[in-house]
Amino acid sequence: DGGITQSPKYLFRKEGQNVTLSCEQNLNHDAMYWYRQDPGQGLRLIYYSQIVNDFQKGDIAEGYSVSREKKESFPLTVTSAQKNPTAFYLCASSMGAGGEYEQYFGPGTRLTVT
Amino acid sequence: GNSVTQMEGPVTLSEEAFLTINCTYTATGYPSLFWYVQYPGEGLQLLLKATKADDKGSNKGFEATYRKETTSFHLEKGSVQVSDSAVYFCALRYRTGTASKLTFGTGTRLQVTL
Repeated sequence: DGGITQSPKYLFRKEGQNVTLSCEQNLNHDAMYWYRQDPGQGLRLIYYSQIVNDFQKGDIAEGYSVSREKKESFPLTVTSAQKNPTAFYLCASSMGAGGEYEQYFGPGTRLTVT
Repeated sequence: GNSVTQMEGPVTLSEEAFLTINCTYTATGYPSLFWYVQYPGEGLQLLLKATKADDKGSNKGFEATYRKETTSFHLEKGSVQVSDSAVYFCALRYRTGTASKLTFGTGTRLQVTL
């Protein structure tokens, strides 16, 4: 089955530690995205990548980093510089980054930092 | 700028009741409009879309019409079921450079009871 996999579903970390969230897709999509969801707020774009070895900051990139070394993988690192890291993180992908392509979402990872 | 405003939730309805969830938008240019649904603990699923004015998107009994004159994209369903209980997000897609981005509303939680 084609789809987007995010693991783990729940992640717990201590404050001051970096943590990397996994996102893998087997849809052969060029573009991938990371969003953050907080209670009572819509999704906010953290980073996106239109193609391998290229990525751009979204609206709330501070305290996060990404890499795109392979087409199917777009890991997100939440660094200790991120002031409020506890949130639900969603990965998405689309065939291309242009306006005509739909974004498909993974199941999400809930990160709790204490 | 681009933004989406949704009605506050939660919305609580009895099964078979009529549903309306209001969504209005502000955008430069001519965005595409979407409704996404999020079931508990899951990622987002595309429910329906409309890409130009007067288009009607429909899926699973849900409908929404792209109204340019009122900058609205209200979600409706004639008879809701308990299984429709979820959070519904209105979103617009706009172009920026070579990429397109999604801007989401804050989401509206729907609770359907027997």
